[in-house]
Amino acid sequence: AQTVTQSQPEMSVQEAETVTLSCTYDTSESDYYLFWYKQPPSRQMILVIRQEAYKQQNATENRFSVNFQKAAKSFSLKISDSQLGDAAMYFCAYKGMRTGNQFYFGTGTSLTVIP
Amino acid sequence: ETGVTQTPRHLVMGMTNKKSLKCEQHLGHNAMYWYKQSAKKPLELMFVYSLEERVENNSVPSRFSPECPNSSHLFLHLHTLQPEDSALYLCASSQDLAAGGMDEQFFGPGTRLTVL
Repeated sequence: AQTVTQSQPEMSVQEAETVTLSCTYDTSESDYYLFWYKQPPSRQMILVIRQEAYKQQNATENRFSVNFQKAAKSFSLKISDSQLGDAAMYFCAYKGMRTGNQFYFGTGTSLTVIP
Repeated sequence: ETGVTQTPRHLVMGMTNKKSLKCEQHLGHNAMYWYKQSAKKPLELMFVYSLEERVENNSVPSRFSPECPNSSHLFLHLHTLQPEDSALYLCASSQDLAAGGMDEQFFGPGTRLTVL
């Protein structure tokens, strides 16, 4: 089974600074999707950004961008100009293109934004 | 109501009780999911439904019984639970279960379950 590893249980960042959250995954598939989800204290998880493995260009969504290293099986999330509203749990997730529809999630990284 | 809603938001039950969790999605999606979220663990997929048919059951104990009467509603019936079943139970939906799709999952706020 695929596994997703987030090695940083907790991270903190000063407001307006940049922070990078790490994610690595293990798979034998060549085609798949990767996602970052955010779960604020209110608990509703929302999608932050997604990446197709066949695309070499890193995905960006406003202040959020990823560093996708396919050979290293690494998918880190960079948050620029951090805001207080960015404080949340962040989950990395993997979904294979051919092995069904299951999402595999990491254990999450709790991000604190310091004013 | 928009998105995915779940009721109740909090539930405390004894081991001999029977209760149900409810999920409703207002997105016109065809697939619905139940996840268990425990601290310091990855989200555990419990059940997957596509067009009201169960397509996946990830070795979940029989004390958890899902029901999907239509594509908008999903229930999780609970009976004779154990204290280790205490967790946040999340419902999610996605457009389709077509293999190869990168449809994102939309999550509800969850039900915080405590089993005494």
